[in-house]
Amino acid sequence: AQKVTQAQTEISVVEKEDVTLDCVYETRDTTYYLFWYKQPPSGELVFLIRRNSFDEQNEISGRYSWNFQKSTSSFNFTITASQVVDSAVYFCALSRPANTGNQFYFGTGTSLTVIP
Amino acid sequence: KAGVTQTPRYLIKTRGQQVTLSCSPISGHRSVSWYQQTPGQGLQFLFEYFSETQRNKGNFPGRFSGRQFSNSRSEMNVSTLELGDSALYLCASSAETSGRARDTQYFGPGTRLTVL
Repeated sequence: AQKVTQAQTEISVVEKEDVTLDCVYETRDTTYYLFWYKQPPSGELVFLIRRNSFDEQNEISGRYSWNFQKSTSSFNFTITASQVVDSAVYFCALSRPANTGNQFYFGTGTSLTVIP
Repeated sequence: KAGVTQTPRYLIKTRGQQVTLSCSPISGHRSVSWYQQTPGQGLQFLFEYFSETQRNKGNFPGRFSGRQFSNSRSEMNVSTLELGDSALYLCASSAETSGRARDTQYFGPGTRLTVL
């Protein structure tokens, strides 16, 4: 069975602090995809990153970075020098190849509040 | 390219009524998925349509149904509404060009349904 766990329900940080959002996943598939989405108060989920199971390279995009470790089944997301605009709910998701069953599995989300 | 659009954005219904929500995917995207988001249950997968066929279905009762048209636009219908159906309904589209790899899902702004 597939499962995504985001143990941090809510996090508050002061602006300019770094913050890491944890994501742990479970799957027996050898091929799978991991995603992070941001959901601001407006409600729309905004795609941030996609990673396939064969690519364990960490990625940096501006103030955002992602650490993918298959050995611990984790795909953590770090925001450096947080800003108020980063306040949102962040979801980690796991998907399976398109030719398999129910394909997208979301974690319960982490609500991040950046205090000015 | 225009993003995923959903109509209406807000809807208020009473118990027992039925409702139809509409989703227009990103141009060229062939897969449309629907999700229900509630504070208690998080994001739950409803169903996915690809080339006018339901490809996958989540664990929701038969009151929830959907369809996809030849232009990839999709509708979902909920009959005999219950109070517990109050939620944000999100639609997501993906290209699915390869048929095997799970492409990124891009989400619309959602329809907020309130059942009184």
